[in-house]
Amino acid sequence: QSVLTQPPSASGTPGQRVTISCSGNSSNIGRNFLYWYHHLPGTAPKLLIRRNNQRPSGVPDRFSGSKSGTSASLAISGLRSEDEADYFCATWDDSLSRWVFGGGTKLTVL
Amino acid sequence: EVQLVESGGGVIRPGGSLRLSCAVSGFTFDDFAMNWVRQVPGKGLEWVSGINWNGDDTAYADSVKGRFAISRDNAKNSLFLQMDSLRDEDTAFYFCVRGSSIGIRNFLDYWGQGTLVTVSS
Repeated sequence: QSVLTQPPSASGTPGQRVTISCSGNSSNIGRNFLYWYHHLPGTAPKLLIRRNNQRPSGVPDRFSGSKSGTSASLAISGLRSEDEADYFCATWDDSLSRWVFGGGTKLTVL
Repeated sequence: EVQLVESGGGVIRPGGSLRLSCAVSGFTFDDFAMNWVRQVPGKGLEWVSGINWNGDDTAYADSVKGRFAISRDNAKNSLFLQMDSLRDEDTAFYFCVRGSSIGIRNFLDYWGQGTLVTVSS
């Protein structure tokens, strides 16, 4: 069971806006930055959002992140077929003294 | 271009040992901490171990403490994971992951494609 909680699936049609949630507690999301990653099975996961809401260079501005209290969310606007992938969140947990992850959300573009 | 390439995965019997390697390029290796993260196929991710830039600080998940050992060779731009007393539940894809700075707590920025370890009799 993952320390951070994500919905197992999400979907949308091309052009739509979808959001993926990530919830934790005061030892992890409540105290530390939240990161989002994009993963196509068989390939290297890619950092999508760092420090709650910052996009690394090369990440389109269609992707945005936010955090409030012990929850965070990833928003993808102008959905495209190539956005179909797994998305997972991660943060440091001060109580466990390790990196913790969400279970991942499989995004389907209908 | 940052590249991390894992090797050493395979099929191993319970109780056996395996050593994973990660060859890196495209950045100054000893400026960054490194990590191993694993994913059981179809399941979530689990951070396994981390090592700081010069190897004098390491950390492990409770599930592998005492069985796995992380190390690095900065002269050879390589990261290693020695896995002993392997169990069925260690079956997973193992990813080599760079930390964003010298210490273990720095966020995970670049990942390799992973190598599959299968523990089975």
